[in-house]
Amino acid sequence: GAVVSQHPSWVICKSGTSVKIECRSLDFQATTMFWYRQFPKQSLMLMATSNEGSKATYEQGVEKDKFLINHASLTLSTLTVTSAHPEDSSFYICSAPLGQRQFFGPGTRLTVL
Amino acid sequence: GENVEQHPSTLSVQEGDSAVIKCTYSDSASNYFPWYKQELGKRPQLIIDIRSNVGEKKDQRIAVTLNKTAKHFSLHITETQPEDSAVYFCAASITSGNTGKLIFGQGTTLQVKP
Repeated sequence: GAVVSQHPSWVICKSGTSVKIECRSLDFQATTMFWYRQFPKQSLMLMATSNEGSKATYEQGVEKDKFLINHASLTLSTLTVTSAHPEDSSFYICSAPLGQRQFFGPGTRLTVL
Repeated sequence: GENVEQHPSTLSVQEGDSAVIKCTYSDSASNYFPWYKQELGKRPQLIIDIRSNVGEKKDQRIAVTLNKTAKHFSLHITETQPEDSAVYFCAASITSGNTGKLIFGQGTTLQVKP
């Protein structure tokens, strides 16, 4: 149990385009999901908390208009990187909690050319 | 907000030796402390966790200790094996009922030499 999936696993896009990443809890429901960004050889940095049925909560320094989060259902959260630029290239990982534990998706590698 | 410091950043041990990774946290309200193992390009995998009402927890070769007064916790891996080589992250969270957001340490790259 406690499986989290992400789609796509990798994406390459041109500068200025938007990219949507999906995070799904496959065998449990999650009213809250978390989105992290991880640059090479660095730690996971929390970007935002996705809340089902309400607005996401963004961490300090994260632009909410650039990183759009929608928690459409109890098993799906999406992150849209709008007007992507090369500096947005990173590994994006979501997590969903089950009880006190958090389970991570496999991550999405975004490369912006 | 919470801040988690992790040391060392790299650790190299001989197969069979023990490895210890230490973390400190700043927010005394934090009450949940998981450890994750991440292999290159893959998702973090939970290897052990501890809650603030417990001082020590062990699972086979892995153990975690927590000192709430000093606000630090440590991961201990005994009888290390080459497959233990990975990046290890500690994290801290304030939870109330369900999970709260995790704040991660900087990570420790563990290399186990055969």
